[in-house]
Amino acid sequence: AQSVTQLDSHVSVSEGTPVLLRCNYSSSYSPSLFWYVQHPNKGLQLLLKYTSAATLVKGINGFEAEFKKSETSFHLTKPSAHMSDAAEYFCVVDSGTYKYIFGTGTRLKVLA
Amino acid sequence: GAVVSQHPSWVICKSGTSVKIECRSLDFQATTMFWYRQFPKQSLMLMATSNEGSKATYEQGVEKDKFLINHASLTLSTLTVTSAHPEDSSFYICSAPPPLAGGTDTQYFGPGTRLTVL
Repeated sequence: AQSVTQLDSHVSVSEGTPVLLRCNYSSSYSPSLFWYVQHPNKGLQLLLKYTSAATLVKGINGFEAEFKKSETSFHLTKPSAHMSDAAEYFCVVDSGTYKYIFGTGTRLKVLA
Repeated sequence: GAVVSQHPSWVICKSGTSVKIECRSLDFQATTMFWYRQFPKQSLMLMATSNEGSKATYEQGVEKDKFLINHASLTLSTLTVTSAHPEDSSFYICSAPPPLAGGTDTQYFGPGTRLTVL
Protein backbone atom coordinates (compact mmCIF):
# COMPACT_ATOMS: atom_id res chain seq x y z
CA ALA A 1 0.00 0.00 0.00
CA GLN A 2 1.11 3.50 -0.74
CA SER A 3 1.57 6.01 2.02
CA VAL A 4 3.34 9.24 2.84
CA THR A 5 4.67 10.50 6.15
CA GLN A 6 5.24 14.15 6.80
CA LEU A 7 7.86 14.35 9.47
CA ASP A 8 6.99 17.76 10.89
CA SER A 9 3.54 18.95 11.87
CA HIS A 10 4.77 22.54 12.28
CA VAL A 11 7.71 24.42 10.79
CA SER A 12 8.63 28.02 11.58
CA VAL A 13 11.11 30.03 9.53
CA SER A 14 12.06 33.65 9.31
CA GLU A 15 11.18 35.56 6.19
CA GLY A 16 13.99 35.32 3.67
CA THR A 17 15.42 32.08 5.05
CA PRO A 18 15.19 28.64 3.40
CA VAL A 19 12.21 26.36 3.79
CA LEU A 20 12.44 22.59 4.16
CA LEU A 21 9.31 20.47 4.54
CA ARG A 22 10.02 16.79 4.83
CA CYS A 23 8.10 13.89 3.35
CA ASN A 24 8.90 10.20 3.19
CA TYR A 25 6.94 7.81 1.08
CA SER A 26 6.25 4.11 1.08
CA SER A 27 5.53 2.43 -2.20
CA SER A 28 6.11 -0.91 -3.82
CA TYR A 29 6.74 0.75 -7.17
CA SER A 30 7.74 4.13 -8.50
CA PRO A 31 5.04 6.40 -7.17
CA SER A 32 3.46 9.58 -8.40
CA LEU A 33 4.04 12.17 -5.69
CA PHE A 34 2.68 15.65 -5.23
CA TRP A 35 2.91 18.64 -2.97
CA TYR A 36 -0.22 20.70 -2.41
CA VAL A 37 -0.67 23.91 -0.46
CA GLN A 38 -3.79 25.02 1.34
CA HIS A 39 -4.16 28.54 2.60
CA PRO A 40 -6.57 29.17 5.49
CA ASN A 41 -10.16 28.48 4.54
CA LYS A 42 -9.14 27.88 0.94
CA GLY A 43 -9.03 24.94 -1.41
CA LEU A 44 -6.00 23.00 -2.53
CA GLN A 45 -3.39 24.31 -4.94
CA LEU A 46 -0.91 22.05 -6.68
CA LEU A 47 2.69 23.13 -6.11
CA LEU A 48 4.47 20.41 -8.03
CA LYS A 49 4.39 16.76 -8.97
CA TYR A 50 6.80 13.92 -9.59
CA THR A 51 5.87 11.26 -12.13
CA SER A 52 9.10 9.35 -12.77
CA ALA A 53 10.70 11.88 -15.06
CA ALA A 54 13.35 14.23 -13.66
CA THR A 55 14.08 13.63 -9.97
CA LEU A 56 14.37 17.34 -9.24
CA VAL A 57 10.98 18.87 -9.76
CA LYS A 58 10.39 22.59 -9.98
CA GLY A 59 7.03 23.97 -9.00
CA ILE A 60 5.27 27.26 -8.67
CA ASN A 61 6.26 30.15 -6.42
CA GLY A 62 9.89 29.08 -6.23
CA PHE A 63 9.27 25.71 -4.64
CA GLU A 64 11.03 22.56 -5.69
CA ALA A 65 11.28 18.98 -4.50
CA GLU A 66 13.74 16.19 -5.05
CA PHE A 67 12.74 12.57 -5.39
CA LYS A 68 15.33 10.36 -3.70
CA LYS A 69 14.59 6.71 -4.15
CA SER A 70 17.44 5.56 -1.91
CA GLU A 71 16.01 7.60 0.96
CA THR A 72 12.33 7.20 -0.04
CA SER A 73 12.01 10.93 0.39
CA PHE A 74 10.36 13.78 -1.47
CA HIS A 75 11.22 16.88 0.52
CA LEU A 76 9.91 20.29 -0.45
CA THR A 77 12.27 23.25 -0.42
CA LYS A 78 12.34 26.94 -1.19
CA PRO A 79 15.45 29.11 -1.00
CA SER A 80 13.80 32.13 0.57
CA ALA A 81 10.53 32.17 2.48
CA HIS A 82 7.95 34.84 1.91
CA MET A 83 5.18 35.85 4.28
CA SER A 84 2.63 34.67 1.74
CA ASP A 85 4.05 31.13 2.00
CA ALA A 86 2.44 30.67 5.41
CA ALA A 87 -0.05 27.85 4.89
CA GLU A 88 -0.64 24.13 5.29
CA TYR A 89 1.36 21.88 3.00
CA PHE A 90 0.40 18.34 2.08
CA CYS A 91 2.57 15.63 0.61
CA VAL A 92 0.40 13.32 -1.48
CA VAL A 93 0.86 9.97 -3.20
CA ASP A 94 -1.33 8.56 -5.91
CA SER A 95 -2.24 5.10 -4.67
CA GLY A 96 -3.53 4.15 -8.07
CA THR A 97 -6.11 5.41 -10.51
CA TYR A 98 -6.09 8.88 -9.03
CA LYS A 99 -6.91 7.79 -5.49
CA TYR A 100 -4.80 10.27 -3.60
CA ILE A 101 -3.45 9.54 -0.14
CA PHE A 102 -2.64 12.69 1.80
CA GLY A 103 0.03 13.12 4.43
CA THR A 104 -0.93 14.62 7.76
CA GLY A 105 0.18 18.06 6.70
CA THR A 106 2.83 20.55 7.77
CA ARG A 107 1.84 24.00 8.91
CA LEU A 108 4.41 26.53 7.79
CA LYS A 109 4.73 29.71 9.79
CA VAL A 110 6.81 32.57 8.42
CA LEU A 111 8.12 35.05 10.94
CA ALA A 112 8.73 38.66 10.01
CA GLY B 1 -8.89 24.92 -18.44
CA ALA B 2 -10.80 22.17 -16.70
CA VAL B 3 -12.46 23.19 -13.45
CA VAL B 4 -14.37 21.44 -10.72
CA SER B 5 -16.99 23.40 -8.84
CA GLN B 6 -18.82 22.68 -5.62
CA HIS B 7 -22.09 23.99 -4.33
CA PRO B 8 -22.71 25.29 -1.80
CA SER B 9 -19.40 26.66 -0.61
CA TRP B 10 -20.68 26.63 2.94
CA VAL B 11 -23.80 25.41 4.67
CA ILE B 12 -25.15 25.52 8.20
CA CYS B 13 -27.87 23.09 9.18
CA LYS B 14 -29.66 21.81 12.22
CA SER B 15 -28.89 18.46 13.72
CA GLY B 16 -31.04 15.73 12.21
CA THR B 17 -31.47 17.30 8.81
CA SER B 18 -29.91 16.15 5.55
CA VAL B 19 -27.58 18.21 3.43
CA LYS B 20 -26.70 17.74 -0.23
CA ILE B 21 -23.39 18.89 -1.69
CA GLU B 22 -22.88 19.05 -5.43
CA CYS B 23 -19.66 18.52 -7.32
CA ARG B 24 -19.58 19.46 -10.99
CA SER B 25 -16.93 19.07 -13.62
CA LEU B 26 -17.03 22.07 -15.91
CA ASP B 27 -16.04 21.67 -19.55
CA PHE B 28 -15.17 18.01 -19.21
CA GLN B 29 -16.74 14.69 -18.37
CA ALA B 30 -15.83 12.70 -15.32
CA THR B 31 -16.91 9.08 -15.03
CA THR B 32 -15.19 8.99 -11.66
CA MET B 33 -15.07 11.54 -8.90
CA PHE B 34 -13.66 11.38 -5.41
CA TRP B 35 -14.97 12.75 -2.13
CA TYR B 36 -12.64 13.77 0.67
CA ARG B 37 -13.29 14.97 4.18
CA GLN B 38 -11.09 17.32 6.15
CA PHE B 39 -11.57 17.89 9.86
CA PRO B 40 -10.38 21.23 11.24
CA LYS B 41 -6.60 21.49 11.16
CA GLN B 42 -6.29 17.94 9.91
CA SER B 43 -5.50 16.23 6.65
CA LEU B 44 -7.82 15.10 3.90
CA MET B 45 -9.24 11.62 4.14
CA LEU B 46 -10.63 9.86 1.10
CA MET B 47 -14.24 8.93 1.80
CA ALA B 48 -15.42 7.33 -1.40
CA THR B 49 -15.08 6.98 -5.12
CA SER B 50 -18.12 8.07 -7.06
CA ASN B 51 -18.78 6.12 -10.25
CA GLU B 52 -21.12 7.32 -12.96
CA GLY B 53 -23.84 4.79 -13.54
CA SER B 54 -22.94 2.50 -10.69
CA LYS B 55 -22.62 2.40 -6.93
CA ALA B 56 -20.01 4.40 -5.13
CA THR B 57 -17.07 2.65 -3.54
CA TYR B 58 -16.58 3.62 0.08
CA GLU B 59 -13.35 3.57 2.04
CA GLN B 60 -13.12 1.47 5.15
CA GLY B 61 -14.89 3.06 8.09
CA VAL B 62 -17.13 5.35 6.05
CA GLU B 63 -20.83 4.74 6.59
CA LYS B 64 -22.45 4.45 3.19
CA ASP B 65 -25.93 4.96 4.62
CA LYS B 66 -24.76 8.13 6.28
CA PHE B 67 -22.97 9.58 3.28
CA LEU B 68 -25.05 8.93 0.20
CA ILE B 69 -23.26 9.43 -3.10
CA ASN B 70 -25.00 9.70 -6.43
CA HIS B 71 -23.16 10.15 -9.70
CA ALA B 72 -26.17 11.11 -11.76
CA SER B 73 -24.40 12.26 -14.91
CA LEU B 74 -20.95 12.57 -16.42
CA THR B 75 -20.57 16.03 -14.92
CA LEU B 76 -22.31 15.78 -11.56
CA SER B 77 -21.74 13.87 -8.35
CA THR B 78 -23.64 14.59 -5.16
CA LEU B 79 -22.85 13.80 -1.55
CA THR B 80 -25.77 13.79 0.84
CA VAL B 81 -25.05 13.81 4.54
CA THR B 82 -28.12 12.21 6.07
CA SER B 83 -29.38 12.96 9.55
CA ALA B 84 -26.44 15.24 10.12
CA HIS B 85 -24.94 15.61 13.59
CA PRO B 86 -22.38 18.08 14.93
CA GLU B 87 -19.60 15.51 14.48
CA ASP B 88 -20.30 15.59 10.73
CA SER B 89 -19.16 19.21 10.65
CA SER B 90 -16.22 19.25 8.32
CA PHE B 91 -14.75 20.52 5.07
CA TYR B 92 -15.81 18.31 2.18
CA ILE B 93 -13.77 18.38 -1.01
CA CYS B 94 -14.40 16.60 -4.28
CA SER B 95 -12.02 15.92 -7.12
CA ALA B 96 -12.07 14.55 -10.62
CA PRO B 97 -9.35 12.94 -12.73
CA PRO B 98 -8.33 14.91 -15.79
CA PRO B 99 -9.97 14.21 -19.14
CA LEU B 100 -7.98 11.91 -21.37
CA ALA B 101 -7.20 14.65 -23.86
CA GLY B 102 -6.64 17.25 -21.19
CA GLY B 103 -2.87 17.35 -21.43
CA THR B 104 -2.36 16.78 -17.73
CA ASP B 105 -2.25 13.84 -15.37
CA THR B 106 -3.20 15.69 -12.21
CA GLN B 107 -6.56 15.68 -10.52
CA TYR B 108 -8.77 18.71 -10.39
CA PHE B 109 -9.98 19.59 -6.91
CA GLY B 110 -13.10 21.49 -6.09
CA PRO B 111 -12.92 24.50 -3.78
CA GLY B 112 -14.58 22.61 -0.94
CA THR B 113 -17.79 22.88 1.05
CA ARG B 114 -17.73 23.76 4.72
CA LEU B 115 -20.53 22.04 6.60
CA THR B 116 -21.47 23.17 10.09
CA VAL B 117 -24.11 21.20 11.95
CA LEU B 118 -25.65 22.93 14.94
